Formats: sequence, C-alpha cells, structure tokens
Amino acid sequence: NAGVTQTPKFQVLKTGQSMTLQCAQDMNHNSMYWYRQDPGMGLRLIYYSASEGTTDKGEVPNGYNVSRLNKREFSLRLESAAPSQTSVYFCASSDIPFDSQETQYFGPGTRLLVL
Amino acid sequence: AQKITQTQPGMFVQEKEAVTLDCTYDTSDQSYGLFWYKQPSSGEMIFLIYQGSYDEQNATEGRYSLNFQKARKSANLVISASQLGDSAMYFCAMRGYNTDKLIFGTGTRLQVFP
Repeated sequence: NAGVTQTPKFQVLKTGQSMTLQCAQDMNHNSMYWYRQDPGMGLRLIYYSASEGTTDKGEVPNGYNVSRLNKREFSLRLESAAPSQTSVYFCASSDIPFDSQETQYFGPGTRLLVL
Repeated sequence: AQKITQTQPGMFVQEKEAVTLDCTYDTSDQSYGLFWYKQPSSGEMIFLIYQGSYDEQNATEGRYSLNFQKARKSANLVISASQLGDSAMYFCAMRGYNTDKLIFGTGTRLQVFP
C-alpha cells in the first residue's frame, strides 16, 4: 500500500520552462489537493479536487493548472515557471466523513527550484 | 474566513521536559476539527492528533495531548517527556464544517537539546 506518491522528488527549471508534477493515490479517496510550502508561510492550498472530474481554486492558484485524470491521479502543471514558484509541493488525498478525525494523507513532496 | 495563528516561530526544550506549542484559530463554523502535524527535516507530514469541536475531553495520543479551550479558541499541543527525535516543525491546522479542506498555520520549529 503506497499511499500518496509524487514524481519527481526534485526538479530544477529555468524561468519560462513548463513542467507537470504527478500525484497518485491508492486509497480510493475522492478528494485530492495540491499545496505549496514556503519558509514562514506554512502550507497553502493551490488547487483541490473534491471528486473525479471537478477541480477548484485554492488560496494561491495563479500560475498553475491542474487535471484530475481519474480518481487516482491529480497533476499540477506550471506552464511558464517563475522564480516565485520555487517551493516544496505537496499532494494530499482524503475521504473524510463529517465530524471525523480522519486526516488528509500527504505525499513525500516535490522540491522545485526555478532559476 | 478561517485562520490559524501560531505565534512561536521557534521553541527550545530540554530532553525529558514538557513543552507547549501554541495555536489559536478563528472560525464562524459551529462544528470544526483541529489537527496537529509534525514535519521532520526529511520533509514528510506526519499526523499527530485531532480534536473535534464538540469533543468534551482533550485529545491524547501517547506523549501528545491537545489543550483545547473552545471559548478562547485555542488548541495548544503539549508534548510530554520530550525526546531528541521530537525536533521538527509542527503545524496546527483546521477543517471547517462539511469540508475536507485544511487551513494551516505557519508552524513552530521545535528543537530538543540534551
């Protein structure tokens, strides 16, 4: 049982290049999320998907696009990378009944450096 | 809007001592959940403890306990008998009514010294 997996683990891009971060979960969760983590800022939600076929903007969506390919996979795309997008990116998934202590499950993260 | 505030950027504690990490929150929801996560230097996010807004007792999980004061809107994490392996970033987070989304605080870096 792999949980939430992310690829790649590390990536260096030049300004203006594009790339896609991949995320997959094997827990049959409906909801998936993309966060970015910057020093002193905690985790901020970029986009989320409450179910297959739906996506919604989070707190910091500018410069990103997402695709919920199927129930398992949720990808994050940077069309034209900027140095301000240097960050650690986390994918997470959950399937939380109301008033449950179930948590989101996080992937190991992708460290992205944009030069 | 919901908000989580962690006012301690860094904390130091001696091994075997207890330490309290502060968390205050703001929400207009009547029902919500509060979480604490640990992030060691390796980077993964580790779930520690959960407190529901209607739970009458403070949550406990081993050496972790959550000091929940609803009227003050605080959900402080207490780590008893600190260990060197507790050195990490700690994040407080909240989930509002009928949603899966989490709002995170900015974190507290805890360093445990011998």
